[in-house]
Amino acid sequence: QVQLQQWGAGLLKPSETLSLTCAVYVDSLSGYYWTWIRQSPGRGLEWIGEIYHSGSTNYSPSLKSRVSISVDTSMNQFSLKLNSVTAADTATYYCARGAPLAAAGVYYYYAMDVWGQGTTVTVSS
Amino acid sequence: DIRMTQSPSSLSASVGDRVTITCRASQSISTYLNWYRQKPGKAPKLLIYAASSLQSGVPSGFSGSGSGTEFTLTISSLQPEDFATYYCQQSYTSPYTFGQGTKVEIK
Repeated sequence: QVQLQQWGAGLLKPSETLSLTCAVYVDSLSGYYWTWIRQSPGRGLEWIGEIYHSGSTNYSPSLKSRVSISVDTSMNQFSLKLNSVTAADTATYYCARGAPLAAAGVYYYYAMDVWGQGTTVTVSS
Repeated sequence: DIRMTQSPSSLSASVGDRVTITCRASQSISTYLNWYRQKPGKAPKLLIYAASSLQSGVPSGFSGSGSGTEFTLTISSLQPEDFATYYCQQSYTSPYTFGQGTKVEIK
């Protein structure tokens, strides 16, 4: 059974860089979109971005200037970096697997079917 | 961005009740709609994908319907573990936005 285990610093000062890593157990990275999502009382659930096993990325426009997602296929891990954090970036961050669950012509229906346990990140001076 | 709006924001119900939650998209998303359940302190769990397909391992009491801009999640008979918050999410186009959530509470 696939598991995602995530870790990273939970307390940051404004202007620092948020850095989180998610390890994928009992599965290959191939064929999936590896995703970061965050949740805060003010913003609810917010999709941050994703990376395909090949390394191609897709980011939310609202965060694109500050975010970077990378993948290390040799370690079966993927990572999130968010630069220049402010208090507005305080949230619980989740990694998740975006899986193609059904075909729709030449496209697929994707959903996040496996999630990490979440990491609470607080930005405070 | 596509805006997803759920209604109601919260509801009170009893074990055994039938519950329906609605999700509306600001533009047509065909059937690219997923539903998740989240319990306090836990990550969301996928229930329904492609608007009406039941995720493996999810009880058959959950069902989804709809297409275009209007969707529903129905729980046919509420169980104690179903008291939680439910979210819809569109997977039609990036950024893949979520609804604001519907909290199902015990009456």
